[in-house]
Amino acid sequence: NAGVTQTPKFQVLKTGQSMTLQCAQDMNHEYMSWYRQDPGMGLRLIHYSVGAGITDQGEVPNGYNVSRSTTEDFPLRLLSAAPSQTSVYFCASRLLSSGGTDTQYFGPGTRLTVL
Amino acid sequence: QQQVKQSPQSLIVQKGGISIINCAYENTAFDYFPWYQQFPGKGPALLIAIRPDVSEKKEGRFTISFNKSAKQFSLHIMDSQPGDSATYFCAASMNSGYSTLTFGKGTMLLVSP
Repeated sequence: NAGVTQTPKFQVLKTGQSMTLQCAQDMNHEYMSWYRQDPGMGLRLIHYSVGAGITDQGEVPNGYNVSRSTTEDFPLRLLSAAPSQTSVYFCASRLLSSGGTDTQYFGPGTRLTVL
Repeated sequence: QQQVKQSPQSLIVQKGGISIINCAYENTAFDYFPWYQQFPGKGPALLIAIRPDVSEKKEGRFTISFNKSAKQFSLHIMDSQPGDSATYFCAASMNSGYSTLTFGKGTMLLVSP
């Protein structure tokens, strides 16, 4: 199993550009989520999904869109990048069953810089 | 509103010493408390977790102590090693498949040789 994979690893954008961060998992996990990590701020939840066709907002959703058309994929879209979106982005997944106590697996991250 | 408060922000411990990281939570509905370990350039990975029905959980050199009445829990790393140098995050969630993990802000641990 590859686990949780993310592409690209690094990306530089100019203000106003759009892009999609890709996330895929091969563990048949229903629950997938996106976090951003900023120095001194910990991991903050952007959006999450509990299954194909179902998404919801997290703590910091503004400026980001998500969709979930398959169990495996959960892309994160930046419609008009801003310097405040410079961050490291992590995708994570876990099983939905057994309550919220299943291990959440994180991808390797995408480091995004917006100029 | 920060629901999980973590301290200290950074910690330097000598090799062989004990590293202690503390977390406090506000939401009494939380009932799952994991710790994640993150090495530079990598994603976080689950280290150890505890449910509030026990006051302590030990896995090797890593121990979680849990105080339900004080709404606090802590990670103890015994015989700290340079390989333990990483960022540690505490987190909390409710016992629901739809529950999200709320993370503390992290503690950067450096174990000096």
